[in-house]
Amino acid sequence: ETGVTQTPRHLVMGMTNKKSLKCEQHLGHNAMYWYKQSAKKPLELMFVYNFKEQTENNSVPSRFSPECPNSSHLFLHLHTLQPEDSALYLCASSQETSEKLFFGSGTQLSVL
Amino acid sequence: AQSVAQPEDQVNVAEGNPLTVKCTYSVSGNPYLFWYVQYPNRGLQFLLKYITGDNLVKGSYGFEAEFNKSQTSFHLKKPSALVSDSALYFCAVRDMGGGSYIPTFGRGTSLIVHP
Repeated sequence: ETGVTQTPRHLVMGMTNKKSLKCEQHLGHNAMYWYKQSAKKPLELMFVYNFKEQTENNSVPSRFSPECPNSSHLFLHLHTLQPEDSALYLCASSQETSEKLFFGSGTQLSVL
Repeated sequence: AQSVAQPEDQVNVAEGNPLTVKCTYSVSGNPYLFWYVQYPNRGLQFLLKYITGDNLVKGSYGFEAEFNKSQTSFHLKKPSALVSDSALYFCAVRDMGGGSYIPTFGRGTSLIVHP
């Protein structure tokens, strides 16, 4: 295991639902990331937190709302999503923002 | 701006044969290059990286990558493929000359090793 745990592994939600994705890292890293993975597309960076401060927001729609209460935990709050938001959402962490990333197994999200 | 291209959606190779997965990059300064592997139902795992030094970098599971500055390439290689190497491979680049400190990933190449 990589030391980065994501829950749930699978999530099916309607367009009017509100849900949250959770990520926890046990590596003592100070940077955490959310990525979106869609088939045959480049891995898409969504948000970056460094020492609990958001340092990157890659023009992500407001229906995605991140939260980083401490260096070990990262959430992605979802509301009024669209079917095109269906994808694998990956959390990652690193010791510094320029070092190699450690990824969780992801949450496979389906929006109906 | 930094970018990376993986020109092949899929690479097929027979077990025991050498394999190459291609990656080209574009940066304004010097590149910091990575390869990651993703097995089914898993997140990405780090394989190897290049910063400076020897152009041939060795990584996990017998993989290596060759940095070629003139061709702006960083191809992943393995002398003898295994069926268990079948996975999705991602190349990533970060521009050490400035700009974003976050690596940019390619779209991935699916490697299929046939028995």
